[in-house]
Amino acid sequence: QITLKESGPTLVKPTQTLTLTCTFSGFSLSTSGVGVGWIRQPPGKALEWLALIYWNDDKRYSPSLKSRLTITKDTSKNQVVLTMTNMDPVDTATYYCALTYYYDPGWFDPWGQGTLVTVSS
Amino acid sequence: QSVLTQPPSASGTPGQRVTISCSGSSSNIGSNHVYWYQQLPGTAPKLLIYRNNQRPSGVPDRFSGSKSGTSASLAISGLRSEDEADYYCAAWDDSLSGPGVFGGGTKLTVL
Repeated sequence: QITLKESGPTLVKPTQTLTLTCTFSGFSLSTSGVGVGWIRQPPGKALEWLALIYWNDDKRYSPSLKSRLTITKDTSKNQVVLTMTNMDPVDTATYYCALTYYYDPGWFDPWGQGTLVTVSS
Repeated sequence: QSVLTQPPSASGTPGQRVTISCSGSSSNIGSNHVYWYQQLPGTAPKLLIYRNNQRPSGVPDRFSGSKSGTSASLAISGLRSEDEADYYCAAWDDSLSGPGVFGGGTKLTVL
């Protein structure tokens, strides 16, 4: 069974850096073709892709957020970490991680339960 | 404004067939596969359709997807109350170097 779970702070102040961790089980990020992606959803709004990392360390970022995002993986710990700098109240959202595949790049499943991050002073 | 355009809402009565459209461009839907996600209230999204018209195991065959040119559609037949959810289309976009694009979502109400 494949599971993913997001963890990190629930509240960050404007201008701070957000660090989120996705801890997964049931697959390995050393397996060819496998990847993990981050997606966020502001309250009452649509989904937005943020970043992806694949087994070969290939990384993709949302063009609009690329300067603020960094995605890394720790294969031995089965974790993927996303950092987002210079947080703003508009970044308040539920942040999800999900399994994806290099050869099926629109596939995101399963998803973690999500973690709500609020940006406020 | 999302790159992929969906109607904000749709509705139907139990047993009906409803369709949800997703309009894009040559750089996304026109040249890449389309994916559909279902998000039930208060839960994480779930993959419903992949590669335009394929269903992951466990997804009922009441759900079907199609693509033509730069548009795609999700059809739900035999509508049930438990189908009330938000539905999102998604696709890779060749004009971006990023992960891809989602539609703005369609809230389906079962009357």
